[in-house]
Amino acid sequence: EDQVTQSPEALRLQEGESSSLNCSYTVSGLRGLFWYRQDPGKGPEFLFTLYSAGEEKEKERLKATLTKKESFLHITAPKPEDSATYLCAVHGSSNTGKLIFGQGTTLQVKP
Amino acid sequence: DAGVIQSPRHEVTEMGQEVTLRCKPISGHDYLFWYRQTMMRGLELLIYFNNNVPIDDSGMPEDRFSAKMPNASFSTLKIQPSEPRDSAVYFCASSPYGRGLHNEQFFGPGTRLTVL
Repeated sequence: EDQVTQSPEALRLQEGESSSLNCSYTVSGLRGLFWYRQDPGKGPEFLFTLYSAGEEKEKERLKATLTKKESFLHITAPKPEDSATYLCAVHGSSNTGKLIFGQGTTLQVKP
Repeated sequence: DAGVIQSPRHEVTEMGQEVTLRCKPISGHDYLFWYRQTMMRGLELLIYFNNNVPIDDSGMPEDRFSAKMPNASFSTLKIQPSEPRDSAVYFCASSPYGRGLHNEQFFGPGTRLTVL
């Protein structure tokens, strides 16, 4: 059964204090790993898709990386506006069209 | 494009009443998903459709829940009768995956349901 585990559940950072969020996964035949951002009271917003181990993608202060067992979302010099819940999801070969989501990491960046 | 549209945004009802949530996916997307999000259980997939046909409804909690997609631009999620434990935020999402595109999902703003 495909599974996604995110850690930590919550993370508090000072503005400018870089850190990483972890997403560990087990999936039969990874077709894609997705990162989403969710602000309070809103739907998840797509950030990145990674398809193979070694792949990296960047967007502003965020960089996502992928290995065969986990993905990291690195946040460099975060700002208060980066505060949100970050969700990781996988698409496996056994689930046509369907994503399996982790529980998320809630990030708070204090000024 | 306006994105995924959901209505109503908020719904407060009493136990036993019927609730209908509505969704308009992004035009051209072949997949439509209904999710429920709570603090305790996170984001749970309830059901999803491909080309208006239900593919997997294993996440539907019980027979009180039903979903339909009569055409490519409209879907409903119905709860009858509603119970307090159904209180949650319900999201609709759509994806262009069936067109050979990447299957990132685009979420609507959600419907916050409160059952008293």
